[in-house]
Amino acid sequence: KAGVTQTPRYLIKTRGQQVTLSCSPISGHRSVSWYQQTPGQGLQFLFEYFSETQRNKGNFPGRFSGRQFSNSRSEMNVSTLELGDSALYLCASSLSTTAEAFFGQGTRLTVV
Amino acid sequence: GENVEQHPSTLSVQEGDSAVIKCTYSDSASNYFPWYKQELGKGPQLIIDIRSNVGEKKDQRIAVTLNKTAKHFSLHITETQPEDSAVYFCAASIGGAQKLVFGQGTRLTINP
Repeated sequence: KAGVTQTPRYLIKTRGQQVTLSCSPISGHRSVSWYQQTPGQGLQFLFEYFSETQRNKGNFPGRFSGRQFSNSRSEMNVSTLELGDSALYLCASSLSTTAEAFFGQGTRLTVV
Repeated sequence: GENVEQHPSTLSVQEGDSAVIKCTYSDSASNYFPWYKQELGKGPQLIIDIRSNVGEKKDQRIAVTLNKTAKHFSLHITETQPEDSAVYFCAASIGGAQKLVFGQGTRLTINP
């Protein structure tokens, strides 16, 4: 069974640009969550989607947004990139809203 | 909101010895506590989890204990091996794994 797939693995963007990251969950999983990982702040929750609906949102500015499609694939978008947005962005999928979460390998975003 | 404190931040043990990592949480409503292992260049890997209706759970060399009264939980790794070297994260959430609050991580090094 394939795991959680995140694309691209690495990304370099310039300040002010926007970026879209993609996540394909494990087959059959309907819940997708996104996290930001930085050396200073650790792992922080961004948002969670279940059946195309955002159920939870973390404490991030409105520049961070996401969506989920009918096939459970999810994308997150960051607009007007800042240097501080450089991080590893991780996606996790779950079978349901109460099941355990499995992470992908992440997308390493560098903002220059 | 929920806050999770994890100790120690670094831990070095001799191969074959045991390792213990401790976490405390603040929100008494939290009822799901997973542990993740993250190796360099990879996403977090779920290694064990426990729900609040259970005091202890074991899986081969790994065990987790939960003290709801004191609001702390611990990861125990016995007979440590070099491949156990990684960063370990504890987390807490309410309901399921969809909005995890993570500890700051423990870098575990197993010395041969």
